[in-house]
Amino acid sequence: DAGVTQSPTHLIKTRGQQVTLRCSPKSGHDTVSWYQQALGQGPQFIFQYYEEEERQRGNFPDRFSGHQFPNYSSELNVNALLLGDSALYLCASSLGTGGDTEAFFGQGTRLTVV
Amino acid sequence: GDSVTQMEGPVTLSEEAFLTINCTYTATGYPSLFWYVQYPGEGLQLLLKATKADDKGSNKGFEATYRKETTSFHLEKGSVQVSDSAVYFCALSEWGAQKLVFGQGTRLTINP
Repeated sequence: DAGVTQSPTHLIKTRGQQVTLRCSPKSGHDTVSWYQQALGQGPQFIFQYYEEEERQRGNFPDRFSGHQFPNYSSELNVNALLLGDSALYLCASSLGTGGDTEAFFGQGTRLTVV
Repeated sequence: GDSVTQMEGPVTLSEEAFLTINCTYTATGYPSLFWYVQYPGEGLQLLLKATKADDKGSNKGFEATYRKETTSFHLEKGSVQVSDSAVYFCALSEWGAQKLVFGQGTRLTINP
């Protein structure tokens, strides 16, 4: 079982550019959530996808968007990058959307905006 | 809104010392509570969880008890090892919603 895989592992972008991050969930999982973890901080919830729809959204601007594919994999897109978007982006997968189900995290994509 | 507050770090202990990392929460409903651990260069791993008041989660010698009256979920271990060095995150999720709300994390270093 490969667990949750994210790509790429590291990325450097210039302000104003757009970026796409990818996530493959753990086998058998149907729900994907994305988190932003700034240096020295706890992860912050961006949004969650289930059945190819955005089900919940955190306090992030519309520049952050996502997609879930029929095979449950997911993409996170960020437009018009700002320096403040530099962070570790974590993907988590789970089975269903219940509050007590275990979320499995990938190792993250480190995004640096220069 | 919901929030989690952890004790400020970093925390440095000697091997075999007793560990407590404090965590308190604010929530409108009846959340599930979690401790996640992040080892250097790795993603977050679930360490333990509790889903209702007075539940005790335990794993790898770590324990935490869901205290509704004090809105707390403190992490404890009786005898820490060098391999326990990591960043520990307390988190909650509201019933029926899997959005995790994390504390700021506590960096733990264990010296031999």
